Amino acid sequence: DIQMTQSPSSLSASVGDRVTITCRASQGIGNSVAWYQQKPGKAPKFLLYATSTLESGVPSRFSGSGSGTDYTLTISSLQPEDFATYYCQQYYTTPPTFGGGTKVEIK
Amino acid sequence: QVQLQESGPGLVKPSETLSLTCSVSGGSISGYYWTWIRQPPGKGLEWIGYIHDSGSTTYKPSLKSRVTISLDTSKNQFSLKVSSVTAADTAVYYCARTDMTFLRYAVDVWGQGTTVIVTS
Repeated sequence: DIQMTQSPSSLSASVGDRVTITCRASQGIGNSVAWYQQKPGKAPKFLLYATSTLESGVPSRFSGSGSGTDYTLTISSLQPEDFATYYCQQYYTTPPTFGGGTKVEIK
Repeated sequence: QVQLQESGPGLVKPSETLSLTCSVSGGSISGYYWTWIRQPPGKGLEWIGYIHDSGSTTYKPSLKSRVTISLDTSKNQFSLKVSSVTAADTAVYYCARTDMTFLRYAVDVWGQGTTVIVTS
């Protein structure tokens, strides 16, 4: 299975901050990366796929980039509703695998 | 607006079979991959497998010998069975829809999740 290593595992930030979360794959995954947001006690919410294609209805402050083995999710200006845990997922090979998650907390 | 709802026992004894059902409402089963994902307490997400509306299945290799996913199109439901469960199978189990049409990959609809605890 492809390992997805997310960093940091947690971070503290303030409203308005720019936040970047990184995911490194154990091998090249050809831009086949999706990102999800999960709030406590809730199911994950799909944010984007193919590294940078935003799901309809997801605010444009979310963006993704990367290539090869390294991918990032950026929140350009953190909003109160963005405090959550974020997961990357590769779907380049089966089984799809998730990163360990990054918890974004209020500073 | 497709909605998913998991149902099934919240407690399962070790060595027995975990059985969950996901009811799909507000949309068609056709054209999608109906997926199970789980999340152990305080941990990350683990993909278990999916079934296409054609009936073809794909499972996580390490779980394949214990997992069966089936589809009942007449009831708009799909199901998960995990045999020979241990404490390591304790988790919140999510059913979800994976959309892989037109170069898109999106686990875009999720159930609310159901907690399954393996305990004697």
